[in-house]
Amino acid sequence: QKEVEQNSGPLSVPEGAIASLNCTYSDRGSQSFFWYRQYSGKSPELIMSIYSNGDKEDGRFTAQLNKASQYVSLLIRDSQPSDSATYLCAVRASNFGNEKLTFGTGTRLTIIP
Amino acid sequence: KAGVTQTPRYLIKTRGQQVTLSCSPISGHRSVSWYQQTPGQGLQFLFEYFSETQRNKGNFPGRFSGRQFSNSRSEMNVSTLELGDSALYLCASSLGAGLYTFGSGTRLTVV
Repeated sequence: QKEVEQNSGPLSVPEGAIASLNCTYSDRGSQSFFWYRQYSGKSPELIMSIYSNGDKEDGRFTAQLNKASQYVSLLIRDSQPSDSATYLCAVRASNFGNEKLTFGTGTRLTIIP
Repeated sequence: KAGVTQTPRYLIKTRGQQVTLSCSPISGHRSVSWYQQTPGQGLQFLFEYFSETQRNKGNFPGRFSGRQFSNSRSEMNVSTLELGDSALYLCASSLGAGLYTFGSGTRLTVV
């Protein structure tokens, strides 16, 4: 079992719709969860972090965390063509001072105009 | 504010050679992590340095090594290159808590 799993896609969503990206993780003690966006040919950039159960909203982005189900999701409202990218879910190990992030292989999202 | 600088951007090496990649983190960031990215495996953790000390190491052979200098700049070295080492090598600097800023990466091609 992979430590962090994502559906590789591609996920195609019409412009203006909600894109829903999902991620599961295996380390039940994980404390910190992140979504990074990577455009083709570019390096990943951080778009959301979430640390406690529930929802966290930032503009058109909402991260959702359910530690009991070991599940993280990212919702993108009013999807725009500029949102077309690969979205990487990342999980930080639980022990103090450990900066290692474990990444999923990413979900490729395409927004259709 | 300057970002994370990785040099060189592109490298072509021959099997058996060695290579050194450099990363200059954002000023004030003391944590530097290195990742290998390939289409099949995604982002794989190599190692993390904090204040010149390696705090974490991933599951890579001993041919992969790194170090960090007192100014937080970091280098990684790969010896006895293999074809399978061809990848994008990404450096990320952080103040902590997993909030990474990645550099543009070094694209290594081994022929």
